[in-house]
Amino acid sequence: EPEVTQTPSHQVTQMGQEVILRCVPISNHLYFYWYRQILGQKVEFLVSFYNNEISEKSEIFDDQFSVERPDGSNFTLKIRSTKLEDSAMYFCASLESNSDEQFFGPGTRLTVL
Amino acid sequence: QQQVKQSPQSLIVQKGGIPIINCAYENTAFDYFPWYQQFPGKGPALLIAIRPDVSEKKEGRFTISFNKSAKQFSLHIMDSQPGDSATYFCAARKSNFGNEKLTFGTGTRLTIIP
Repeated sequence: EPEVTQTPSHQVTQMGQEVILRCVPISNHLYFYWYRQILGQKVEFLVSFYNNEISEKSEIFDDQFSVERPDGSNFTLKIRSTKLEDSAMYFCASLESNSDEQFFGPGTRLTVL
Repeated sequence: QQQVKQSPQSLIVQKGGIPIINCAYENTAFDYFPWYQQFPGKGPALLIAIRPDVSEKKEGRFTISFNKSAKQFSLHIMDSQPGDSATYFCAARKSNFGNEKLTFGTGTRLTIIP
């Protein structure tokens, strides 16, 4: 069964450093998302991406965040200068055209020290 | 108005019991209501979903009840098993071409004891 994959599974970084979280969505999906989940809290929407541009972004997704689909398979989330409060699980999700079900990846645990 | 409120925060049920998790929403533009199941260290996985044109949907041991006038929906798990122990999130979404973001509830940690 096709699945969304994410790398790395765990990233530890120092405050102020740049991180890139990588996702490989399901191959025929057209809509891509990043969500995050701070430990013990709900899953929060960050950004949606379609047709090589951002469709919508939340208040969390400020100028420190960016997304890119550098090739036909990868979808990345970059945090330019990490803050302690960026520590969370980051989930990538993808959606097929004319479908309701967003498929989530296993997540990347980001720890900012 | 974008929030989805979920209760209870945690729930302990004996094996074979019927846990019920409740959610309420404000935004009447929401038209798709999924439930996600999340095991520790894993991403959320779609369990069952409903649209507001029906009041109930059943898939296996999982049932969603939907009350459009009250803007509430709930998940019932029949004949619960220890393997159902997980965190359950309700969610809601507006249909919007090119943007199908999900708004999640706060989650319910369910424990089924043998």
